[in-house]
Order: sequence, then structure tokens, then C-alpha cells
Amino acid sequence: SQTIHQWPATLVQPVGSPLSLECTVEGTSNPNLYWYRQAAGRGLQLLFYSIGIDQISSEVPQNLSASRPQDRQFILSSKKLLLSDSGFYLCAWSRQGRVRTGELFFGEGSRLTVL
Amino acid sequence: QQQVKQSPQSLIVQKGGISIINCAYENTAFDYFPWYQQFPGKGPALLIAIRPDVSEKKEGRFTISFNKSAKQFSLHIMDSQPGDSATYFCAARGNQGGKLIFGQGTELSVKP
Repeated sequence: SQTIHQWPATLVQPVGSPLSLECTVEGTSNPNLYWYRQAAGRGLQLLFYSIGIDQISSEVPQNLSASRPQDRQFILSSKKLLLSDSGFYLCAWSRQGRVRTGELFFGEGSRLTVL
Repeated sequence: QQQVKQSPQSLIVQKGGISIINCAYENTAFDYFPWYQQFPGKGPALLIAIRPDVSEKKEGRFTISFNKSAKQFSLHIMDSQPGDSATYFCAARGNQGGKLIFGQGTELSVKP
């Protein structure tokens, strides 16, 4: 069966510090990978998505970047965090191929607080 | 045109009542409409989904009603239970890609 792991679960960082959130998927190959941000009381904002290694699209210009060094690894980074980067970050994956169910499988999330 | 508008933002229902959450969209190219359920501190999980060639889909106490001409769809939770208390997101996917566009979410609280 497929599983998705995301860490750390909780993070408190000072303004101006770097960020690295990691996500790995097991039990499938060549997944589509996504990073979403959920701000308090708001919906799910798509930040980045990737259809393959080193193939990443950015949805919203911002202080964050993403990388996919391996097929099932997706990393969200920042060189200098802003207060507005606080939120709940969710990694997700979906299947590629001819049959597109559209279903996203989400990780447990990483709660980032920037002080 | 890529937006999905969801209402209400929050909803309080008594146990045994019917919870109704509505979504509207503009892009007629959307071809898949899922609903996700998210419990506090967890990632969302797929609850139920519908394609635009049917007007209704029912799975247990959960029903999606779809109105293609009005570009609206809704989630009905029959016999709502306290365990249904969660945030619900509607979403839509364009037929040119796998990206889902999410609504803003509805925080449902079912009172015992």
C-alpha cells in the first residue's frame, strides 16, 4: 500500500531563518507531488506541483521554493522566513497515467509558526 | 474563472440533522468534483466525488447533488453525527491537468 510521510510535524522558527520541510511517498512510482498551504480559516492554496524529478511548477510567487531530488521525495524550502509564511503545510501525491482519478492523498501536515 | 466558491464558511447542526454545504464554479472545463474531509491537525482525505455526467451520487449518509446548468454542486450529510465535525472542502479539476482547485472550506460542528 502507498504511504506518505511528512516532517517535521511542528516547527517554530524565527523570522529570517531558513526552512526545510520534507515529504516522501512509498509504495508507488512516478507520482505527481504537491505542496499546499492552509492558512488559519482559509482554504488550500497550491504552492508547487511536480510531475517528475526536477520538474516543478510554481503556482504562486512567494518566498518559498521546492525541489524534487528523487522520484518520491519533495522538499519545500525557504532561505529567509517571513511572518506571513506561518501556516499548515500539506504535501500530497496523486497517480499519473491514463486513468486519472484526480484523487489526492495528503500527508499529516507540518505546522509552521514564524515568530 | 479558476475559482471554486464554497459556502457557508461555518455550520452548526444538531445531531440527527442534515448538513448542507454548497459550491459554485465558473469553468465549464472542470470534469471531476470531489469533496474532502479534514479533521483537526490532519491532512484532508477524499470523502466522495462526482463527475458531471450524473446529477447525484450517494455513499452512505453522504450525497453529492450536481447541477451542471447552474454550475453548482453540494454535499448533503444526512443524520449528522458529532463524529462528522470536521472541515469540508469541495474541489474541481480541469480536464487539461490533474490539479485540483479547492474551495475555501466549511467548518462543520455537529452538536450532540
